[in-house]
Amino acid sequence: SQTIHQWPATLVQPVGSPLSLECTVEGTSNPNLYWYRQAAGRGLQLLFYSVGIGQISSEVPQNLSASRPQDRQFILSSKKLLLSDSGFYLCAWSPVGQGYGYTFGSGTRLTVV
Amino acid sequence: GENVEQHPSTLSVQEGDSAVIKCTYSDSASNYFPWYKQELGKGPQLIIDIRSNVGEKKDQRIAVTLNKTAKHFSLHITETQPEDSAVYFCADNKLIFGAGTRLAVHP
Repeated sequence: SQTIHQWPATLVQPVGSPLSLECTVEGTSNPNLYWYRQAAGRGLQLLFYSVGIGQISSEVPQNLSASRPQDRQFILSSKKLLLSDSGFYLCAWSPVGQGYGYTFGSGTRLTVV
Repeated sequence: GENVEQHPSTLSVQEGDSAVIKCTYSDSASNYFPWYKQELGKGPQLIIDIRSNVGEKKDQRIAVTLNKTAKHFSLHITETQPEDSAVYFCADNKLIFGAGTRLAVHP
């Protein structure tokens, strides 16, 4: 069966520090991978998605970036965090093609102080 | 652009009552509509989905109905329980999400 792992679960970082969140998927090949952000009490904002190794699409301009160095690994990064980067970050995967639901990771609560 | 609208944003019911959450979509080509439940501090979990070749799907106390002509679909929860309290999200074929509904079930 497929599983998705996301870590860390919580993170407190000072403004201006770098960020690296990692997500890995097991039990499937060539998944579509996604990073979402959720502000407190708000909806899901798609940040990045990837359909293959090295293929990253950005949905919103920001100081975050994403990379996919391996087929089942998706990394969210920042060189210098802003206070506004605080939120709940979710990784998700779906099979190739439309008409399939997402499987979300357990999320990372990021607080920038 | 394409979007999914979800109503209500908050819903409060007594235990045992029914709860209904409605979504409308704009992409007439959409043919897949999932619903997700997000408990506090956790990632959303897929709870039920429906494809356009059926009008209703049930799974125990939850059901989803789809009206393709009107381009709306609804989540129905019967005999609600406190553990149903969560935020629910709908989505369309391209996984464009609604804004979410915070459901509170009071004992």
